[in-house]
Amino acid sequence: QQQVKQSPQSLIVQKGGISIINCAYENTAFDYFPWYQQFPGKGPALLIAIRPDVSEKKEGRFTISFNKSAKQFSLHIMDSQPGDSATYFCAASEDSSYKLIFGSGTRLLVRP
Amino acid sequence: ETGVTQTPRHLVMGMTNKKSLKCEQHLGHNAMYWYKQSAKKPLELMFVYNFKEQTENNSVPSRFSPECPNSSHLFLHLHTLQPEDSALYLCASSQDGRETQYFGPGTRLLVL
Repeated sequence: QQQVKQSPQSLIVQKGGISIINCAYENTAFDYFPWYQQFPGKGPALLIAIRPDVSEKKEGRFTISFNKSAKQFSLHIMDSQPGDSATYFCAASEDSSYKLIFGSGTRLLVRP
Repeated sequence: ETGVTQTPRHLVMGMTNKKSLKCEQHLGHNAMYWYKQSAKKPLELMFVYNFKEQTENNSVPSRFSPECPNSSHLFLHLHTLQPEDSALYLCASSQDGRETQYFGPGTRLLVL
């Protein structure tokens, strides 16, 4: 019930392409869905987040798509750049909880 | 990322040693967290402190002992660890449970 399933485990994209990472959850009480980006030797940093009252949120080249009925959300990186190469984690939490449940991560490599 | 600092950045210890990890946040937040990040596994929440009070202990073995003397400092005391405890230990802070968590760079721990 608490799990967040993330796919794919790794992703290789050419520069300029679209990177798509998917996450699915079971707990319908989740109402906050952030994406974190982690570079080697660094801690994760918040990239973008969404709440279930909207189906899409866009910030620059990064877009979250949210499907409440399917209990799925995804991260789209448009015009992917080599500097986007990192590990991406989706996460989810409930309103009343300090507890973020993380997906297992996706290692993205953007080739020049 | 300089908002949350962690020391040491790397630590090698034997199974009989006692060591401590330190985390300091300079963001004025009231909540602090310890996470464990192992290869190919999701980030695992270990402990949560809110206003110096522990609000979450995610079934962590007693060989890990947290301490939060004030809202800016968090320690993780380690004793009689096992090799499987080798991982990256991340500290994070947030203004409250629903706000963005800011992560430190982590301490890479190796237990021999």
